[in-house]
Amino acid sequence: DIQMTQSPSSLSASVGDRVTLTCRASQSISSYLHWYQQKPGKAPKLLIYAASDLQTGVPSRFSGSGSGTDYTLTISSLQPEDFAVYYCQQTYSSRYTFGQGTKLEMK
Amino acid sequence: VQLLESGGGLVQPGGSLRLSCAASEFTFSNYAMYWVRQAPGKGLEWVSTVSGSGASTNYADSVKGRFTISRDNSKNTVYLQINRLRAEDTAVYYCAKGLWFGEHSGGIFDYWGQGTLVTVSS
Repeated sequence: DIQMTQSPSSLSASVGDRVTLTCRASQSISSYLHWYQQKPGKAPKLLIYAASDLQTGVPSRFSGSGSGTDYTLTISSLQPEDFAVYYCQQTYSSRYTFGQGTKLEMK
Repeated sequence: VQLLESGGGLVQPGGSLRLSCAASEFTFSNYAMYWVRQAPGKGLEWVSTVSGSGASTNYADSVKGRFTISRDNSKNTVYLQINRLRAEDTAVYYCAKGLWFGEHSGGIFDYWGQGTLVTVSS
């Protein structure tokens, strides 16, 4: 299976900060990379698909980029509602795998 | 789009459960459906996929041979039959809808249910 590694595992930041989360695949996944946000006690929410396409209704402060094995999720100006856990997922292989998550905490 | 899971509960090791996910507000048969689980305090794990027609299925190695996914397009419902349960199957089980219109929908999960908790313990 393709292994997905996210870094950092946790990140402390303040409202208004620009933050970048990273996801690395164990092999090239050709932009079959998607990002989800999960808040405590809630189901995950799709933010970005195909590495850089913003899901309908997601604020434009979220953006994604990357290619090959390395991908990033950037939040341009953190809002209070953005503190959550973020997961990347690959669909290059039909045996879909997720990263272990990055917990974004308020400083 | 609404997805409503049911069927979770407390079960002994080696036991069985059938989870259901009732879907509404979209043309159910036009999308693949998925089960994803999350152990307490842990990350997300894809469990299984069923194509829009139900003709093809796929499973994670950790559940292959014990779990069976199916769907009834006349009832807009997807099922997960889980057998020979182990302690490590304890998790919230989410059903999710595929993003792309079509038989296989790409494995991107655009809508999720609220989850149903399965606890395996004696």
